Amino acid sequence: KQEVTQIPAALSVPEGENLVLNCSFTDSAIYNLQWFRQDPGKGLTSLLLIQSSQREQTSGRLNASLDKSSGRSTLYIAASQPGDSATYLCAVSGDRGSTLGRLYFGRGTQLTVWP
Amino acid sequence: GAVVSQHPSRVICKSGTSVKIECRSLDFQATTMFWYRQFPKQSLMLMATSNEGSKATYEQGVEKDKFLINHASLTLSTLTVTSAHPEDSSFYICSAKRQSSGNTIYFGEGSWLTVV
Repeated sequence: KQEVTQIPAALSVPEGENLVLNCSFTDSAIYNLQWFRQDPGKGLTSLLLIQSSQREQTSGRLNASLDKSSGRSTLYIAASQPGDSATYLCAVSGDRGSTLGRLYFGRGTQLTVWP
Repeated sequence: GAVVSQHPSRVICKSGTSVKIECRSLDFQATTMFWYRQFPKQSLMLMATSNEGSKATYEQGVEKDKFLINHASLTLSTLTVTSAHPEDSSFYICSAKRQSSGNTIYFGEGSWLTVV
């Protein structure tokens, strides 16, 4: 069974720092990996999606890498801002017919960026 | 704009009553939708996979008689929490698979259920 782990569970940093959030998964047979942002009491906002054949994706100050063989992904946030404060979730999708589209989520990293 | 709409976003119900949550794909047909539940400070856990025109596939430990899923059309899946209890209070969120765009997954906005 796929297990997704995120480290650290919580992170508190001053504004302007560059951050690295880590995600690991036990089964490398994935279709893709996604990073989401979740604000308190809200739904999910998709940040980046990396297909299994890709190594990284970038969007603005965010960069996500994927090492499928080792079961790892990192989310890099450059020049963090207070508005980045949220919980960041990593999720992988199974690659087999019955699991395609089913996401396995980590517990998230709760990020606080203070001014 | 949202391509998957979930309703209601927040609902409070009395213990023992039933509550229905709807998940609609707005501009595409979704033969498969997924229902997740998230307890406070926990990860999202898949409850069931909803397949249009057939019975839902439930994850281990999820009571199918308590959490009724109906996927009667290609754009609508419903989750009914029957005989709700305070321990069912949680965040429920659905996703829909858009096969026409490489199996892209779109999430609804989620529904907060509070059972009092």
